[in-house]
Amino acid sequence: GNSVTQMEGPVTLSEEAFLTINCTYTATGYPSLFWYVQYPGEGLQLLLKATKADDKGSNKGFEATYRKETTSFHLEKGSVQVSDSAVYFCALSDSDTGKLIFGQGTTLQVKP
Amino acid sequence: EPEVTQTPSHQVTQMGQEVILRCVPISNHLYFYWYRQILGQKVEFLVSFYNNEISEKSEIFDDQFSVERPDGSNFTLKIRSTKLEDSAMYFCASRVAHIDTGELFFGEGSRLTVL
Repeated sequence: GNSVTQMEGPVTLSEEAFLTINCTYTATGYPSLFWYVQYPGEGLQLLLKATKADDKGSNKGFEATYRKETTSFHLEKGSVQVSDSAVYFCALSDSDTGKLIFGQGTTLQVKP
Repeated sequence: EPEVTQTPSHQVTQMGQEVILRCVPISNHLYFYWYRQILGQKVEFLVSFYNNEISEKSEIFDDQFSVERPDGSNFTLKIRSTKLEDSAMYFCASRVAHIDTGELFFGEGSRLTVL
């Protein structure tokens, strides 16, 4: 079945450091891929998405490229800020049902 | 900007009691979902709902759970007899179309604590 695997957290970085959060997936068909972010005490917000192979999603300085050959959708940001501290979830959309399947989440803590 | 709203934000209940969690999806959306997140764990799919019926449900969504859209705006999740392990954050979500490019919009969640 479809599944998403993210790197273990927590990830602790200093402000302005480079961020990578790894995400790999297993899927039948051609799912869309998403990164959602959950700030402390809040709900899930879409950060970025990519709908087909080689697409790059980007938002707020974050980027992720849909890599079909490596079944990956790694999240990157060149210079993190304290305000980026949150839990990041990688997800795929089941191409048959439309439901989202989430990874386990990666907590990012950015220190000043 | 339209948003999904959920009530209550936090509910504390005794084991065995019935709980109803309410959601108002975005008005032109057609597909509705409930997800659950036990503290510190992944977000898990519970159920999807379209055209006034369940379109898919997970193994978690047993006979103790039910959903309905009673009045064309609200979308509710009922837990008939709560268990300790039902303690979690419950997220409602909706989407406008059943295509996999359609973004899922999530509410802020309802935290359920079962004592």
